[in-house]
Amino acid sequence: QTVVTQEPSLTVSPGGTVTLTCASSAGAVTSVYYPNWFQQKPGQAPRALIYNINNKQSWTPARFSGSLLGGKAVLTLSSVQPEDEADYYCLVYYGGAWVFGGGTKLTVL
Amino acid sequence: QVQLVESGGGLVKPGGSLRLSCAASGFVFSDYYMTWIRQAPGKGLEWISYISSTGGYTNYADSVKGRFTISRDSATNSLYLQMNSLRAEDTAVYYCARDGTTGDFGDYDYWGQGTLVTVSS
Repeated sequence: QTVVTQEPSLTVSPGGTVTLTCASSAGAVTSVYYPNWFQQKPGQAPRALIYNINNKQSWTPARFSGSLLGGKAVLTLSSVQPEDEADYYCLVYYGGAWVFGGGTKLTVL
Repeated sequence: QVQLVESGGGLVKPGGSLRLSCAASGFVFSDYYMTWIRQAPGKGLEWISYISSTGGYTNYADSVKGRFTISRDSATNSLYLQMNSLRAEDTAVYYCARDGTTGDFGDYDYWGQGTLVTVSS
């Protein structure tokens, strides 16, 4: 069973930049694994942010961007806003099934 | 507007069964892959199953394979999850979601509000 690993928690100051990563126990995350990113705030359903590495949903703010770097999928938040405080999950495709990462709790402080 | 509304959750004893439904509206249901995702209390997201737009292809996470069955009815724009042999570890909020790419690319652009399933004696 493939394990997808994210930072359990990160803290960033308002206006700062933060990078969240998504790594796989099966090896490098590449484009064939279609990495996606989701945001979830307390008491809410998850919301899609980025699909297939770096494609934004129509509602995704410009300060969010996705990429691949060093064998990992990466979500970068620039000019972080207080409302960006949330849990973030990556999703990747392995062996015909989808696997979520454990999630990163982002605190804006 | 796109809407997904789950129903059918509740309290069930270990070993019991439950059928979840997801009513879809605001889009051409038969064009899209659909998926079920769950979240145990205080835990992360877990993908559990998808079904192709025609219903001809399905896949399951190992944790539910052989116990859960996903299906869909384009006549009623409904997605279903039949859950059998339920275990305490199946306790979670269950979400249905649409894959926005009209394929299987994990682009879950719309989600329902979730329905809670509690497995307990």
